[in-house]
Amino acid sequence: GAVVSQHPSRVICKSGTSVKIECRSLDFQATTMFWYRQFPKQSLMLMATSNEGSKATYEQGVEKDKFLINHASLTLSTLTVTSAHPEDSSFYICSARQPTQVRTYEQYFGPGTRLTVT
Amino acid sequence: QKEVEQDPGPLSVPEGAIVSLNCTYSNSAFQYFMWYRQYSRKGPELLMYTYSSGNKEDGRFTAQVDKSSKYISLFIRDSQPSDSATYLCAMSDNFNKFYFGSGTKLNVKP
Repeated sequence: GAVVSQHPSRVICKSGTSVKIECRSLDFQATTMFWYRQFPKQSLMLMATSNEGSKATYEQGVEKDKFLINHASLTLSTLTVTSAHPEDSSFYICSARQPTQVRTYEQYFGPGTRLTVT
Repeated sequence: QKEVEQDPGPLSVPEGAIVSLNCTYSNSAFQYFMWYRQYSRKGPELLMYTYSSGNKEDGRFTAQVDKSSKYISLFIRDSQPSDSATYLCAMSDNFNKFYFGSGTKLNVKP
């Protein structure tokens, strides 16, 4: 149980275009989803926290107009990288938490999406 | 200064060795500590969780937290080639935000 999927797993796009990444909780409902970014040999950096039905909370330094997050349902959150540039190339990972989770430290991670902007 | 520091390795050990992985942190408010394992091209999976200082054991894995030194460790006994992965430490003060180390790449040689 507690499986999170991401789509696509890998995407290459041209500079200036937009890319949408989907994060789905397959066998549970997730009121909270987290979006992280991971550069090679660096930490997972939290970009934003997404709660179903409300606006995402962005971390300091993350442009909300560039990284659009929509948590439309209890099983789906999307991250859209708008007007992508080569410096946006990174590994993007989402995670999800169950609403009635007793162990609130537990978040289930998706497999990640490798974005390359050319 | 980074919130969490972790040696990136790589760490290469023979099968059966005891592995010690470590992280240091700067925020004394952290009280929840986690270790994740991440295989190549996969998302992290939770291995161990510890609250505050102390030890916790689960099979071949032991997590230790020393809050006075702001230092946490993960020990793997009788390491196996299947343990080869990147190990990430993570910590939080309130579960609203998690701070991750950069990960240590471990290679267990048969």
